[in-house]
Amino acid sequence: EVQLVESGGVVVQPGGSLRLSCAASGFTFDDYTMHWVRQAPGKGLEWVSLISWDGGSTYYADSVKGRFTISRDNSKNSLYLQMNSLRTEDTALYYCAKGGPVDTAMGRWGQGTLVTVSS
Amino acid sequence: QSALTQPRSVSGSPGQSVTISCTGTSSDVGGYNYVSWYQQHPGKAPKLMIYDVSKRPSGVPDRFSGSKSGNTASLTISGLQAEDEADYYCCSYAGSYTFDVVFGGGTKLTVL
Repeated sequence: EVQLVESGGVVVQPGGSLRLSCAASGFTFDDYTMHWVRQAPGKGLEWVSLISWDGGSTYYADSVKGRFTISRDNSKNSLYLQMNSLRTEDTALYYCAKGGPVDTAMGRWGQGTLVTVSS
Repeated sequence: QSALTQPRSVSGSPGQSVTISCTGTSSDVGGYNYVSWYQQHPGKAPKLMIYDVSKRPSGVPDRFSGSKSGNTASLTISGLQAEDEADYYCCSYAGSYTFDVVFGGGTKLTVL
């Protein structure tokens, strides 16, 4: 069974940094593109970032470009999101999602980890 | 990229059919056959229902179907059931020189 378990969400002050993790199991992790998608409280979904199966290609939404860095460790079946220069508008539930059946779709999602940016 | 436009809410009675629209531009919905749809129940993670405009992942009932015409994609749910009540989000590839994905604002489906 595919499982994606996010962690690392906490309350952080504006301007602070945070690293989210996503532990994957139940599938061959290094066969798949991975995404981060976020959802502000009571709001819709917003795509954040994508990383290719080998980590060689990374892409970001304009809203996080230059502040967030996506990475993966295929030896640990883990996905990461380094978040710097956090803003109040980054407050959201952050989901990791497995790409598939095509890279432009998110075939399986974790339950999310909540990041709150507040002073 | 601006969010895709969806109706805030739709409703239907059990057994009926409903259609949710998703309007974008020629830079996203109209430019690529990479539209996907997600179902989200309250407090739960989203679930992929349709990808590549009209393809269903394994396990998704064939009551769910997708289509596209021009810059507007649609999700049709036939034979409505109580468990279909949820939020639905469309999503489209929107990259030109780089990878980019844009979601719609979401539609609340109420089963009367």
